[in-house]
Amino acid sequence: QVHLVESGGGVVQPGMSLRLSCAASGFTFSAYTLHWVRQSPGKGLEWVALLSKDGSKKDYGDSVRGRFTISRQNPKNILYLQMNSLTPEDTAIYYCARAPCTGGSCYYDYWGQGILVTVSS
Amino acid sequence: SYVLTQPPSVSVAPGQTAKIACGGNNIGRKSVHWYQQKPGQAPVLVIHYDTDRPSGIPERFSGSNSGNTATLTISRVEAGDEADFYCQVWDVSSDHPVFGGGTKLTVL
Repeated sequence: QVHLVESGGGVVQPGMSLRLSCAASGFTFSAYTLHWVRQSPGKGLEWVALLSKDGSKKDYGDSVRGRFTISRQNPKNILYLQMNSLTPEDTAIYYCARAPCTGGSCYYDYWGQGILVTVSS
Repeated sequence: SYVLTQPPSVSVAPGQTAKIACGGNNIGRKSVHWYQQKPGQAPVLVIHYDTDRPSGIPERFSGSNSGNTATLTISRVEAGDEADFYCQVWDVSSDHPVFGGGTKLTVL
């Protein structure tokens, strides 16, 4: 059974950094592209970042590019999101999600339970 | 970048049919995926590639996609279907996903 479990969230002050982790189990971790998606309180889903199965392709949403870094450790089945220069607008629940792709389209078949990041002074 | 438009809310009585629209320029040429998100929970995939239901999703959930509108249809709506629903496509030009703004389904 596929499981994705996020950790590392919490309350941080503006300008500080935080690293999220997503521990995966129940599938061949190295065979999938993985994403981070966030949801601000009371708002919709916002794509944050993606990382290909072998780490060769990374991309970021405009609102986080240059501040966030996505990485993975395939032998340990862990996905990371390093978040620097945090602002209150980064306050959100962060989800990691598995993203299979076929025919040029990708979707999210499994999501973690989410982890809350609050940026506040 | 590509934009997906959903109505903020849809209301339906129990036992009736709910239709949730997702508009986008020539969306019929893209594959549309739908997620259900209940309060306090992570999203769950309910339809992928326009019409396909993942294992465990009731047959009451179906999808269609043509022209400028994709539609998620929920037949024989139950109180437990109340949730936010999001459509999603893959934007080939930017090579990343795009989400609709979400629709809150209320069961009267």
